[in-house]
Amino acid sequence: NAGVTQTPKFRILKIGQSMTLQCAQDMNHNYMYWYRQDPGMGLKLIYYSVGAGITDKGEVPNGYNVSRSTTEDFPLRLELAAPSQTSVYFCASSYLTGNQPQHFGDGTRLSIL
Amino acid sequence: GQNIDQPTEMTATEGAIVQINCTYQTSGFNGLFWYQQHAGEAPTFLSYNVLDGLEEKGRFSSFLSRSKGYSYLLLKELQMKDSASYLCAVRMKTSYDKVIFGPGTSLSVIP
Repeated sequence: NAGVTQTPKFRILKIGQSMTLQCAQDMNHNYMYWYRQDPGMGLKLIYYSVGAGITDKGEVPNGYNVSRSTTEDFPLRLELAAPSQTSVYFCASSYLTGNQPQHFGDGTRLSIL
Repeated sequence: GQNIDQPTEMTATEGAIVQINCTYQTSGFNGLFWYQQHAGEAPTFLSYNVLDGLEEKGRFSSFLSRSKGYSYLLLKELQMKDSASYLCAVRMKTSYDKVIFGPGTSLSVIP
């Protein structure tokens, strides 16, 4: 059982480049989330999705875009990368409600130079 | 608005008990989670509270007071491997449920 899979694990981008961070889960979870975590800080919610075709902004959505065409996949797109987007990005998924916790991927470590 | 607050750092001695506090001000509260995160790793689930009171799970317990917007995580019989960050997260009931994290508390366990 793979759980939540994120690719790539590491990436270095130049300022102004674009890229897509991939996230896939095989647990048939409704909810999926993207967070970023800066050094020594907590997780900030970028975007989340409650099911295929439904997404909503989190705390820090500027500079990012998402789509959810299937239950399994929730890619995060960075357009015109900036140094402020250097961070560790975590994808998570969970069932709809109640005491169901989030399951996290291993993270993508992204540096913008 | 929304705000979740935790102490930045704590230090405790191996074998002792430590309490990590979390205060929150959010709209539409729908549950509170505690996660553990070791350096360089992803967060892992520890506990969940939605009703007032204490939830016990082995060496870890979590308490919630909804009226006070307050929770704590209690770690007993501390071990060196408990050195990690502890993240408080609130599920908010807005148009859709979403989960917001606090800044995390870095716990160092010393011999």
